[in-house]
Amino acid sequence: DGGITQSPKYLFRKEGQNVTLSCEQNLNHDAMYWYRQDPGQGLRLIYYSQIVNDFQKGDIAEGYSVSREKKESFPLTVTSAQKNPTAFYLCATYSPGRDSPLHFGNGTRLTVT
Amino acid sequence: LAKTTQPISMDSYEGQEVNITCSHNNIATNDYITWYQQFPSQGPRFIIQGYKTKVTNEVASLFIPADRKSSTLSLPRVSLSDTAVYYCLVGVPRGGYNKLIFGAGTRLAVHP
Repeated sequence: DGGITQSPKYLFRKEGQNVTLSCEQNLNHDAMYWYRQDPGQGLRLIYYSQIVNDFQKGDIAEGYSVSREKKESFPLTVTSAQKNPTAFYLCATYSPGRDSPLHFGNGTRLTVT
Repeated sequence: LAKTTQPISMDSYEGQEVNITCSHNNIATNDYITWYQQFPSQGPRFIIQGYKTKVTNEVASLFIPADRKSSTLSLPRVSLSDTAVYYCLVGVPRGGYNKLIFGAGTRLAVHP
């Protein structure tokens, strides 16, 4: 989706290091979401934020942290406490409205060795 | 929160119509039903969204019965490029926010 930028596309880290994944949007959407996807599996919700300076845990928040200081940005930090961080990470946004769907970025593939 | 159930996988052939059904028994009054397509290593792509009855766009149709406890995505005349995973999402509400949980998706394989 051209309005949501996830960078970088591929990220490599050594075990024990924290790493921050970027998600920037220019859609003026209020809500932002982070999902994790493992090979051959569905999407699992990590964190979501409805407005600036507010966010809620999803189903698999342990080992992750987020911030929402600006409407446009919702960075995800994968901490060393996350036991299996290697995965495909997807950011999504939307705003409430009659026909507004959830929009996705193109994802960041994180590999931790 | 509405939980969705879809078939794990489906097979079809080029030129056929494919119908994928999603069950969502505890859908809330304000929830929309949205379908996405995902190719490997890409973000899910929006296909179609509806609230009730039938919605049609240039790529698909969405059928929603009156009780809204299920929905069916219809893909007319599929091609090899339609081989992908299809997700049904329930919970994007009108005028509000929600914790949006995806089901496991349906892996569609289109054969020549």
